[in-house]
Amino acid sequence: QQPVQSPQAVILREGEDAVINCSSSKALYSVHWYRQKHGEAPVFLMILLKGGEQKGHEKISASFNEKKQQSSLYLTASQLSYSGTYFCGTDQFRGGADGLTFGKGTHLIIQP
Amino acid sequence: DTEVTQTPKHLVMGMTNKKSLKCEQHMGHRAMYWYKQKAKKPPELMFVYSYEKLSINESVPSRFSPECPNSSLLNLHLHALQPEDSALYLCASSQVAGSNQPQHFGDGTRLSIL
Repeated sequence: QQPVQSPQAVILREGEDAVINCSSSKALYSVHWYRQKHGEAPVFLMILLKGGEQKGHEKISASFNEKKQQSSLYLTASQLSYSGTYFCGTDQFRGGADGLTFGKGTHLIIQP
Repeated sequence: DTEVTQTPKHLVMGMTNKKSLKCEQHMGHRAMYWYKQKAKKPPELMFVYSYEKLSINESVPSRFSPECPNSSLLNLHLHALQPEDSALYLCASSQVAGSNQPQHFGDGTRLSIL
């Protein structure tokens, strides 16, 4: 089951904040966040595991609410380098040998 | 540059051709993945190898045949592909296969079927 991401696209000025949401209708064991720039490979940002944790990576952080089956990615004081498409990936298998099911992505454009 | 190397970067082939995509990693990872990505779409999981054994096949047509000859290498053999198979094929690896493992992606092979 594909997770649902919102918004589909965001246009920001440098220094502004953004929130990207990811939700699922099924129970989640983990949520992964990746960023992909045009013509490049997806780059791993962070993993959120069951337990409602919040993690941070420079000015990018995320939360995971397993009861609501939702995760949010927070980009603070956005930089030009943050532009790209952000995907959440969910693992709905039971922690065995898994792959990820990705949401449709959120296209983020940062303008100077 | 990524630590997962995919070759070739671009491939154009006819529907009757046989070709192979190659993926290599030297990070000691024991799980490797193939994803297919169409333009402006998310990557879609095709296959998962765990300790050189195929553990997930997401109902991929038999014209795609994966192979994992050793822990560092992953191949995808292609035969009699259709135009709709044109896409970016991404390889990824993780330390082991599990929900708490980040996946490292290669730059992909852009495949065009004539």
